[in-house]
Amino acid sequence: QVQLQESGPRLVKPSETLSLTCTVSGGSVSSGSYYWSWIRQPPGKGLEWIGYIYYSGSTNYNPSLKSRVTISADTSKNQFSLKLRSVTAADTAVYYCARDHYSNYRWFDPWGQGTLVTVSS
Amino acid sequence: DIQMTQSPSSLSASVGDRVTITCRASENIARYLNWYQQKAGKAPKLLIYAASSLQSGVPSRFGGSGFGTDFTLTISSLQAEDIATYYCQQSYSSPWTFGQGTKVEIK
Repeated sequence: QVQLQESGPRLVKPSETLSLTCTVSGGSVSSGSYYWSWIRQPPGKGLEWIGYIYYSGSTNYNPSLKSRVTISADTSKNQFSLKLRSVTAADTAVYYCARDHYSNYRWFDPWGQGTLVTVSS
Repeated sequence: DIQMTQSPSSLSASVGDRVTITCRASENIARYLNWYQQKAGKAPKLLIYAASSLQSGVPSRFGGSGFGTDFTLTISSLQAEDIATYYCQQSYSSPWTFGQGTKVEIK
């Protein structure tokens, strides 16, 4: 059973870089059957897809965040990571990592438990 | 971006009621539509993929239908444990986008 777990600082100062890591257990980020995504949810609001990485290293980002986002993977550690630069209070959110099922259709399953990151000085 | 609009934003129903949530896409997305359930303080959980396929382990009282721009999530007999916010999500074209959510409460 695949499980995902987010980790990283819970508090980030404005203008700095938010960095999170997702550790995958029970499965492999090197699997060609899946993409690996980051999704966020501001407190009390809806869900926003941030981007994904494929085992080959190819990435795809939401244009709304593309200029500030980098997603990378470390297959030796079975992890993938998110970096969001130049953060503001608007980036305060629960950040989820999720497996992005890749077939004729696509869906997110499973999700990590999420981690709340607050942007504040 | 494809806009996803859910209705209603919230609803209150009694245990045993049939509950219907609708999701409309701003353009034709064929069957590239997923439904998630999010309970308070928890991560979303996949219920339905490809518009009508029930995810393994999800109770059969949940069902999905639709094609093109109009989709429906149905709970055939609402249970207390179904209290949650439900989101639709399109996977037709990037960026993947979600509806704003429908909060389901018990009357």
